[in-house]
Amino acid sequence: AQTVTQSQPEMSVQEAETVTLSCTYDTSENNYYLFWYKQPPSRQMILVIRQEAYKQQNATENRFSVNFQKAAKSFSLKISDSQLGDTAMYFCAFMKHVGHSTLTFGKGTMLLVSP
Amino acid sequence: GAVVSQHPSWVICKSGTSVKIECRSLDFQATTMFWYRQFPKQSLMLMATSNEGSKATYEQGVEKDKFLINHASLTLSTLTVTSAHPEDSSFYICSARNRDKGTYEQYFGPGTRLTVT
Repeated sequence: AQTVTQSQPEMSVQEAETVTLSCTYDTSENNYYLFWYKQPPSRQMILVIRQEAYKQQNATENRFSVNFQKAAKSFSLKISDSQLGDTAMYFCAFMKHVGHSTLTFGKGTMLLVSP
Repeated sequence: GAVVSQHPSWVICKSGTSVKIECRSLDFQATTMFWYRQFPKQSLMLMATSNEGSKATYEQGVEKDKFLINHASLTLSTLTVTSAHPEDSSFYICSARNRDKGTYEQYFGPGTRLTVT
């Protein structure tokens, strides 16, 4: 079974600063996907970024980028130029690269961006 | 595109009654829909996976007779909480996988807050 660990229950950052959220996972699979989801106070889950394990290049989406270290089973999220709207719960998630796979979520990190 | 809706967004029901929550994929066909439960300040717990036209697959520890899931079409899945009790109060989230987008694209509904009094 896969496990996803987010060791930071809460993080805070000031507007315009950079913050990194940590995520480690455990799996025996070689092909899989990793995701970061954001859940703002509205509680709508929003996909932030996705990484396919077979791709060595780290995924980036505007101010969001990941540091994917496959050997270390680490998948951290870097948010640059933090904005107040980034305040949310962030979940790291894992999914096997096979049909009918399900997402395994970490416990989440609450990020608070302050002015 | 890729919008998933849930109805109702908030429901209050009395203990012992049943309540139905609908999940719809508005602009795509969903091969698979998922139902999650989320307690305050906690992560999402997968309850069950449903494929259109077949029985749902429930996660260990989830009572299938209490949480009835019906995936009647490629755009609609329903979760019925039967004989609800206060401990069933929670936030329920559905998500849907787009048939045309491969195996990893999964879109989430806005959630339904259930309060059982």
